[in-house]
Amino acid sequence: TQLLEQSPQFLSIQEGENLTVYCNSSSVFSSLQWYRQEPGEGPVLLVTVVTGGEVKKLKRLTFQFGDARKDSSLHITAAQPGDTGLYLCAGVGRSGYALNFGKGTSLLVTP
Amino acid sequence: KAGVTQTPRYLIKTRGQQVTLSCSPISGHRSVSWYQQTPGQGLQFLFEYFSETQRNKGNFPGRFSGRQFSNSRSEMNVSTLELGDSALYLCASSLGATGTNTGELFFGEGSRLTVL
Repeated sequence: TQLLEQSPQFLSIQEGENLTVYCNSSSVFSSLQWYRQEPGEGPVLLVTVVTGGEVKKLKRLTFQFGDARKDSSLHITAAQPGDTGLYLCAGVGRSGYALNFGKGTSLLVTP
Repeated sequence: KAGVTQTPRYLIKTRGQQVTLSCSPISGHRSVSWYQQTPGQGLQFLFEYFSETQRNKGNFPGRFSGRQFSNSRSEMNVSTLELGDSALYLCASSLGATGTNTGELFFGEGSRLTVL
């Protein structure tokens, strides 16, 4: 059973467009991370959110953790081809063991 | 600071064989986690080792095993390979055990296993 559901599964947009991807769960997470994975490489951590309602910004990327700590979103403003990759959310459950990943959103930004 | 190193990067095996994958974590990191990544299932947690002890195990058959050495290097072994074991196997290290430091992981580039 996949604890974290990500949507959309695939997204193809043109350079300059804005987009939002979602990460949802029925479980509460003590913290949640977003990673980006490029072809042939391992995932790289983008951000960690810990507090319900928290908003973090990383240049053109804005991350939000839901008030109930069950969901999160990633918004990209003015997407660039360099943003292309697989975006993964991951959460540590209340048990504190194992980082569980969603299946990811595959983003393609074309010039 | 060197990153997480996984070897080999690519390998091809046949059904029934066994395989051993190696992972060298970032210097100073004591936790090593292993994940299997496939297009259909995404990243699936295999196990985590901390200070040579298996701390947690995912829902995989006993054919999948691992260990961690005193220098924090880790190996995972898959015996009696099946076609469905074809995947990218990712190793990740962290300073502390998952849950003790928000579980932030640093991944290697992975070992891509193809089973024929």
